Formats: sequence, C-alpha cells, structure tokens
Amino acid sequence: DGGITQSPKYLFRKEGQNVTLSCEQNLNHDAMYWYRQDPGQGLRLIYYSQIVNDFQKGDIAEGYSVSREKKESFPLTVTSAQKNPTAFYLCASRSRDRGQVNTEAFFGQGTRLTVV
Amino acid sequence: AQKVTQAQTEISVVEKEDVTLDCVYETRDTTYYLFWYKQPPSGELVFLIRRNSFDEQNEISGRYSWNFQKSTSSFNFTITASQVVDSAVYFCALSRGGSQGNLIFGKGTKLSVKP
Repeated sequence: DGGITQSPKYLFRKEGQNVTLSCEQNLNHDAMYWYRQDPGQGLRLIYYSQIVNDFQKGDIAEGYSVSREKKESFPLTVTSAQKNPTAFYLCASRSRDRGQVNTEAFFGQGTRLTVV
Repeated sequence: AQKVTQAQTEISVVEKEDVTLDCVYETRDTTYYLFWYKQPPSGELVFLIRRNSFDEQNEISGRYSWNFQKSTSSFNFTITASQVVDSAVYFCALSRGGSQGNLIFGKGTKLSVKP
C-alpha cells in the first residue's frame, strides 16, 4: 500500500534532548512538509522540501532542523533550542502535476511529542 | 500574503441537521487551489476536495457540498443530514499555483454531531 509512515506514534523527550521524528513515503512524491499542530492553532508549517537535497523554512522553523537526502525520507529533528516542543507533528507529501505543486497533500498519522 | 480564516472555532449540531462550515481566504495570486480536510480523533488528515481558482462550479458528493465564490473569497462546506460519524475537526487550506505551492491551513472548525 502506498502512503506516508510516521514514527514513532508517541515520543517522550527530556528537557535538553534532541529527538528525531521519522517520515517516509512510498508515493514517489517530490514535495514533503512538516506541520506542527497545537490545540486551537491549526496546522503551522515548520519546514518543507520540494526536491532532494533542498529544503526551506516555514513559519515556525526555529528550534527545528530537517534533511532530505532521499526522495522518500524527510526526518525532522526537534532540538533543545525549541522551548515548547510538546505538540502533534504531521508530515505530508504532494506530487507534481506537469511541474506544478497543486495536488492534494497526503498525510501521515502523526507523532505526538511530549516533554517530560 | 496568503491567509485562511475559519471563523467558527466549534459547532455543535444534532444528528440530521444541516451544517455549513465557513472558509474565507486571502491571496493576491490569480492561480491558486483550495482544499478541505477532515481530521477525525485518530489524528490523520483525510482529503475531501480540491478546487482550482478557475473553476467556480459548486460540487456535491453525497451529503457533502462545497460552494466556491471568488467574489467573496469564500469556499464554504455544507454537510446535509449530519451524522455522528461527521464529528471531527475540519480544515480549509490554500495553495498557490506554480512550482513552490505551499499549503496554508486555517485554524480548523471542530464539529460535534450529537445523536
């Protein structure tokens, strides 16, 4: 089955630790995204990547880092610089239609990160 | 700048009532795309519909219908004869055309359908 897999589903982080959230897709999509969801805030864009080895900051990139070494994978690292990392994190991907990124996004099941 | 506003934070209806979820967007682009997603309690976002800026035709899919009006920059979503399974958070989203189309979301409307 084609889709997006996020792991782990639940993650607990101690203060001062870096943690990495995994996102893998087998849809052959070029574009991948990371969103953060807080209650009442909707989805806010952290980072996005339109192509391998390239990525751009979204609206709330501070305290996060990403890499895009393979088309299928777009891991997100939550660093100790992120002061309030407890949230629900969603990864998404989109295909190109004749060079245009205008298709619907497919989402993973999310990772719920809690700082303990 | 692009922006999506969903003014209704929470809506509660009784089963079989019709309900409309509002979405107002802002963009300076002439080519753009609008989307609706459903987020059930499990958390995963489920795609419902995509509409491009050149197609103002309304769409109906079963109990769901969408009304796109460029004159008012709105893309409203109506559920007819609501059911308990419709309870979820619904998001409206906007994407610009071109090769760098980011997907910008509204804050969502939480719909509760009571039996």
